[in-house]
Amino acid sequence: EAGVAQSPRYKIIEKRQSVAFWCNPISGHATLYWYQQILGQGPKLLIQFQNNGVVDDSQLPKDRFSAERLKGVDSTLKIQPAKLEDSAVYLCASSLASGLSIQYFGAGTRLSVL
Amino acid sequence: GQQLNQSPQSMFIQEGEDVSMNCTSSSIFNTWLWYKQEPGEGPVLLIALYKAGELTSNGRLTAQFGITRKDSFLNISASIPSDVGIYFCAGQNFQGGKLIFGQGTELSVKP
Repeated sequence: EAGVAQSPRYKIIEKRQSVAFWCNPISGHATLYWYQQILGQGPKLLIQFQNNGVVDDSQLPKDRFSAERLKGVDSTLKIQPAKLEDSAVYLCASSLASGLSIQYFGAGTRLSVL
Repeated sequence: GQQLNQSPQSMFIQEGEDVSMNCTSSSIFNTWLWYKQEPGEGPVLLIALYKAGELTSNGRLTAQFGITRKDSFLNISASIPSDVGIYFCAGQNFQGGKLIFGQGTELSVKP
């Protein structure tokens, strides 16, 4: 079974530029999550989708971050404009359902903002 | 918000030694999970615990769900070089699927 796919693996941009990340979850997984992992810390949830609806975006900085999952399958996360403190690994995870279902993580996109 | 305190932050051990790490929270979780993350990869689930007091093993790994629901422990017996990585605890609460992660324990194993 294919795992969670993410692209690109690495991205370097200058502050105030825009960037987008893509995630394709495991086939059949209804729930998709985006996490931000700053160096030396554990992942922090940014947004959770159930199919194409948002379940939790309470920790998403909505002035600059946006995410969508239009057809309930793959998802994009965008940052516009980027700040230096956005440098982190952005992890996508998926699960069969929410609640107690196990979350499987992709390899992440490492973003460096200069 | 909810926070998990994971300790120790890092460990340097000799191959063959046993390892213990723990995670504590100021609030209750109904699920505790332990993940391992290697460089350039996402976290991989090692053990999931669903009931207070539960003790679960996965090969050389053993984890326990604290009876108060506010802590969990992970033990690794007879460590080997491939155990190197960062180990994260994560709690999942009654409100939904969000995982709250600890800061991680970085394990180094000297052959």
